[in-house]
Amino acid sequence: DTEVTQTPKHLVMGMTNKKSLKCEQHMGHRAMYWYKQKAKKPPELMFVYSYEKLSINESVPSRFSPECPNSSLLNLHLHALQPEDSALYLCASSQVYGISYEQYFGPGTRLTVT
Amino acid sequence: QQQVKQSPQSLIVQKGGISIINCAYENTAFDYFPWYQQFPGKGPALLIAIRPDVSEKKEGRFTISFNKSAKQFSLHIMDSQPGDSATYFCAATQTSGTYKYIFGTGTRLKVLA
Repeated sequence: DTEVTQTPKHLVMGMTNKKSLKCEQHMGHRAMYWYKQKAKKPPELMFVYSYEKLSINESVPSRFSPECPNSSLLNLHLHALQPEDSALYLCASSQVYGISYEQYFGPGTRLTVT
Repeated sequence: QQQVKQSPQSLIVQKGGISIINCAYENTAFDYFPWYQQFPGKGPALLIAIRPDVSEKKEGRFTISFNKSAKQFSLHIMDSQPGDSATYFCAATQTSGTYKYIFGTGTRLKVLA
């Protein structure tokens, strides 16, 4: 099973709302990633968790707060977002951060900030 | 030096034709080159990948050609089908030293029926 699942598929939120995105994988991967993708652009790395610890934060604004409760789950908490944060948010996983070649992506959450 | 340059930006091919997408890199420390296929509203899916010690890899209708000396690699889609219409991203990975995973800018392929 090479599936990464993400919920919800679509999310519309106001700038004062608090919401969370959820990602789950059951491949035994120890690295999980959050990417942001704008239309017609490649994915942009936001965060990397390795063995449930935050390894990389690509200077992401604090209104995005990641959390890795266990090795299978990854959350992205959203608060006070801006309209320019509207994008497809992708979760990915790989066997081990730093030496893995393949990353497996989920279907993404389409976020619209109004 | 960390960029992966991808071309063309968009491509239109007739059904049954050959689609060719090219990527070029500068960093000789890259050691793995995957291609991803992404349909609208979906996440990228790993399609095929190659290591630099191999010049060509074929999986079904998809072939990667790799030219190490020129630091270029390309994806060939033989007998292109309308269902192949998607955005394709090349990527380059560095696993020695500082880990890097760099995506190309993407190519939007449309295959006409």
